[in-house]
Amino acid sequence: EAGVTQSPTHLIKTRGQQATLRCSPISGHTSVYWYQQALGLGLQFLLWYDEGEERNRGNFPPRFSGRQFPNYSSELNVNALELEDSALYLCASSPQGISNQPQHFGDGTRLSIL
Amino acid sequence: AQSVTQPDIHITVSEGASLELRCNYSYGATPYLFWYVQSPGQGLQLLLKYFSGDTLVQGIKGFEAEFKRSQSSFNLRKPSVHWSDAAEYFCAVGDGGATNKLIFGTGTLLAVQP
Repeated sequence: EAGVTQSPTHLIKTRGQQATLRCSPISGHTSVYWYQQALGLGLQFLLWYDEGEERNRGNFPPRFSGRQFPNYSSELNVNALELEDSALYLCASSPQGISNQPQHFGDGTRLSIL
Repeated sequence: AQSVTQPDIHITVSEGASLELRCNYSYGATPYLFWYVQSPGQGLQLLLKYFSGDTLVQGIKGFEAEFKRSQSSFNLRKPSVHWSDAAEYFCAVGDGGATNKLIFGTGTLLAVQP
């Protein structure tokens, strides 16, 4: 069974640009979560999508957004990139919107802002 | 507010020695607890989970954890550490309900001496 896959592995951008990160969940999982792992800030919850809808978002500015497609894959978009957005972005998936099911993580996208 | 504390930032053990990583949580209801491991450059791998029932849970790679409600703890243990166990370990509590997010501790970096 394929795990959660994320692309690209690395992404280098400059300040003010826009970045798009992609995630494919485990087959049969309909919930997708995004987390940011920034140096010194730990793992912070960004977004939760289930059945194509945004269910919850963490304490991040609106320039962090995303969507979930009919096949349950997801995109995370970050607009107007700032230096502080440099981080590892992790995607996770779990079965349909079931509270507190284990989340299974991909290997992440390393976003570097120059 | 829900929170997770991992008091040890960095631990060094000798190969073959026993290991205990500490985790304390703050949560109003019955917690859903997880331990994840992150190897360098990779995502998070689920080691084990506690939802209810037996307070001693077994996980992968020979790890186990014990839930102690009276101490609000969920410590991770392994009787004999292998060099390949060197990694960062994260304890997390499931927020459940409307948010469904994981709240992570700051992690414990484990080094294994030969």
